[in-house]
Amino acid sequence: DARVTQTPRHKVTEMGQEVTMRCQPILGHNTVFWYRQTMMQGLELLAYFRNRAPLDDSGMPKDRFSAEMPDATLATLKIQPSEPRDSAVYFCASGSPGTDTQYFGPGTRLTVL
Amino acid sequence: GQNIDQPTEMTATEGAIVQINCTYQTSGFNGLFWYQQHAGEAPTFLSYNVLDGLEEKGRFSSFLSRSKGYSYLLLKELQMKDSASYLCAVITWKGGGNKLTFGTGTQLKVEL
Repeated sequence: DARVTQTPRHKVTEMGQEVTMRCQPILGHNTVFWYRQTMMQGLELLAYFRNRAPLDDSGMPKDRFSAEMPDATLATLKIQPSEPRDSAVYFCASGSPGTDTQYFGPGTRLTVL
Repeated sequence: GQNIDQPTEMTATEGAIVQINCTYQTSGFNGLFWYQQHAGEAPTFLSYNVLDGLEEKGRFSSFLSRSKGYSYLLLKELQMKDSASYLCAVITWKGGGNKLTFGTGTQLKVEL
């Protein structure tokens, strides 16, 4: 059964290190979304793509975060340098053409020490 | 910007009915979703409303009133496994596409 996959599932790193999170959207889906979830802020949209083109990344701290889609089967979210306040669960979601329903991956739980 | 309000917590009894409300204030409204999220897991799609009225799907129903900026999720015949966070999310048009803005979620606890 088709699912969004994310790697790694868990990541512990030290402040200042680069973190790369990967997402494989469901085959045939043309929209990809990156969210961050914390207890305090809930689920926040960081960036989203349609047909691999970035449509909105206004929710993302530009100085340290970057999101790309090198091809239709891979989306990446990078943090460089990472800070303790970046500790959160990062979800990727994808959607099929013509619908707004988003299907979420299992998330990457990031801890920055 | 968008403002979405839902109760933080609710408690209900197994077998009962519970209604989780969501109010929103937004521009460019294009529809509303409800998602369920169990602790430590990803949100999963429950329902989608774009027109006024009630959408029923098994034990779950969702209602929307666009003029009132109001939606509710109705859960019938509650089961213990329904204990989860329920997220209301509104769709707005932004940046050349539709984006979802999520409420902070309602933590539902189902008790015996």
